[in-house]
Amino acid sequence: DGGITQSPKYLFRKEGQNVTLSCEQNLNHDAMYWYRQDPGQGLRLIYYSQIVNDFQKGDIAEGYSVSREKKESFPLTVTSAQKNPTAFYLCGGGDSNQPQHFGDGTRLSIL
Amino acid sequence: GENVEQHPSTLSVQEGDSAVIKCTYSDSASNYFPWYKQELGKGPQLIIDIRSNVGEKKDQRIAVTLNKTAKHFSLHITETQPEDSAVYFCAASKVSGGYNKLIFGAGTRLAVHP
Repeated sequence: DGGITQSPKYLFRKEGQNVTLSCEQNLNHDAMYWYRQDPGQGLRLIYYSQIVNDFQKGDIAEGYSVSREKKESFPLTVTSAQKNPTAFYLCGGGDSNQPQHFGDGTRLSIL
Repeated sequence: GENVEQHPSTLSVQEGDSAVIKCTYSDSASNYFPWYKQELGKGPQLIIDIRSNVGEKKDQRIAVTLNKTAKHFSLHITETQPEDSAVYFCAASKVSGGYNKLIFGAGTRLAVHP
């Protein structure tokens, strides 16, 4: 079954802890994206990657980090520097002339 | 920077009525405009998109119109059904290089009442 798979569906973070959200795709997209969604708001871009071993900051990158070691995988780490991490995180994939598709998200909460 | 405004924030219609959601964008170089439907606890699903070289596109009960001069685009849903109830997002982007950086509107919560 082709698509973008995010895990876990729910994640809890303790004070001072880093947590990593997984995003895997089998759609052969070069470009992948991470967005944050807060209640009543649209999606805001955190980071994007155009190709393996390359990534760029989006509009709200502070407190987050990413890696792109494999084409299929684009994990997002929410670091302890992110003071307001509670949100719904969405991973997307899609190259320049293709529609962008999304996974089903990870909901991160603070313990 | 690029900004997308979406109205209304909530919309309530009776089953069978039409629903219209409107968006305006600020960057005149934007050339790609998708619409997404998001159900509770799920990721957004693409329902229709339009590129700047086209003024209108239709897919069954869904249509999108684009006015480049006014920097305005709209989603039209006809013969609404209860399963159309969801949050709808518009987005705009300037397709460049190998990626597609979308700027999203704040969303419209559509409720279709039987």
